[in-house]
Amino acid sequence: QKEVEQDPGPLSVPEGAIVSLNCTYSNSAFQYFMWYRQYSRKGPELLMYTYSSGNKEDGRFTAQVDKSSKYISLFIRDSQPSDSATYLCAMTYSGGYQKVTFGIGTKLQVIP
Amino acid sequence: DSGVTQTPKHLITATGQRVTLRCSPRSGDLSVYWYQQSLDQGLQFLIQYYNGEERAKGNILERFSAQQFPDLHSELNLSSLELGDSALYFCASSLSSSGNTIYFGEGSWLTVV
Repeated sequence: QKEVEQDPGPLSVPEGAIVSLNCTYSNSAFQYFMWYRQYSRKGPELLMYTYSSGNKEDGRFTAQVDKSSKYISLFIRDSQPSDSATYLCAMTYSGGYQKVTFGIGTKLQVIP
Repeated sequence: DSGVTQTPKHLITATGQRVTLRCSPRSGDLSVYWYQQSLDQGLQFLIQYYNGEERAKGNILERFSAQQFPDLHSELNLSSLELGDSALYFCASSLSSSGNTIYFGEGSWLTVV
């Protein structure tokens, strides 16, 4: 079993829809949770990060962490064609020199 | 633009050869990370350096090595290349060592033929 599981998709939605992207993980020691957006053949771009449980909102993006269920989500409101990309979840431990573990990424297509 | 610079952007080389990938981190960042991304494996952590010293190691093959120089730029050396080494190699950097906010370069696309 992988430490981080993420449905690779693809996920196709109409423009304006609310998108829900999710990851599950097995290691309860993870404390930092991140979401990256990656356009085709480009470097991943950090969208949001949260520490421990709770919600964080930034514009049209909301990140949620439920540590009890080992489940994280990224919601995109009013999705736009420019949101079409692969979204990777990532997580790491608190403190020290810790590697970041990434999900395989979910490919999202927003159709105009 | 993340501020992380990687060269070369693309390279094609033959099996058995050796290549060097170069990375300049964002100004002020002390940590450098190397990742490999292939279609079926996703982003795989290779190695991390912090201020010139190796700090964390992932699934890096013995044929691969890296270092971080006093000016904080880093190089990833790949030797005895095999077809399966064809992938995107990303460098990332962060100010701290914890890895919770790391910024990626655009990657070096390696094709081994």
